[in-house]
Amino acid sequence: AQSVSQHNHHVILSEAASLELGCNYSYGGTVNLFWYVQYPGQHLQLLLKYFSGDPLVKGIKGFEAEFIKSKFSFNLRKPSVQWSDTAEYFCAVKGGGSYIPTFGRGTSLIVHP
Amino acid sequence: SAVISQKPSRDICQRGTSLTIQCQVDSQVTMMFWYRQQPGQSLTLIATANQGSEATYESGFVIDKFPISRPNLTFSTLTVSNMSPEDSSIYLCSVLESGSRNTEAFFGQGTRLTVV
Repeated sequence: AQSVSQHNHHVILSEAASLELGCNYSYGGTVNLFWYVQYPGQHLQLLLKYFSGDPLVKGIKGFEAEFIKSKFSFNLRKPSVQWSDTAEYFCAVKGGGSYIPTFGRGTSLIVHP
Repeated sequence: SAVISQKPSRDICQRGTSLTIQCQVDSQVTMMFWYRQQPGQSLTLIATANQGSEATYESGFVIDKFPISRPNLTFSTLTVSNMSPEDSSIYLCSVLESGSRNTEAFFGQGTRLTVV
């Protein structure tokens, strides 16, 4: 069974700081990779996704993620965070021809103005 | 993308009672799922809601505790039966719009359940 690890459970940053959230997964075959964001009081929204092609994926609001197959990683980055980026971030992986993603535990990001 | 409405958005229930959560999608979707999100933990898949037939449950979840209906391609319900405080959680409806595996899941806003 595949698993997803998000190593940072709580991250606190000041505005303009750079962000990198780690995500590693266990499945060795072809994967689809996702980052979802949940702003306070709102539903889960897709931030970005990787299915194939360029391993550097650009998403909404200045976020990007890089798929490194050899490291089984899909880390999320943003060069300069804003207060409005305060949210919960979830990494998710679909593999083995499954329709259903497996989610990581989530990372709570707090950005101080 | 599909717009998903869940009702209720939150509820406080007495132990031993049951709560039915509704999920309505604004378009026909291929697959619908129910997740549970416990405090500080990941999303855990409860079951896949199948149209016109019994839901497919994940390990650790049973139909008697979490009966699910899906009468058509736009609507599903999840019932949390005989509730205990351990059932306090956020319950999420999720859909896949197409039958392709190269597609992302969309989520409702969730139902925050507190059992007292």
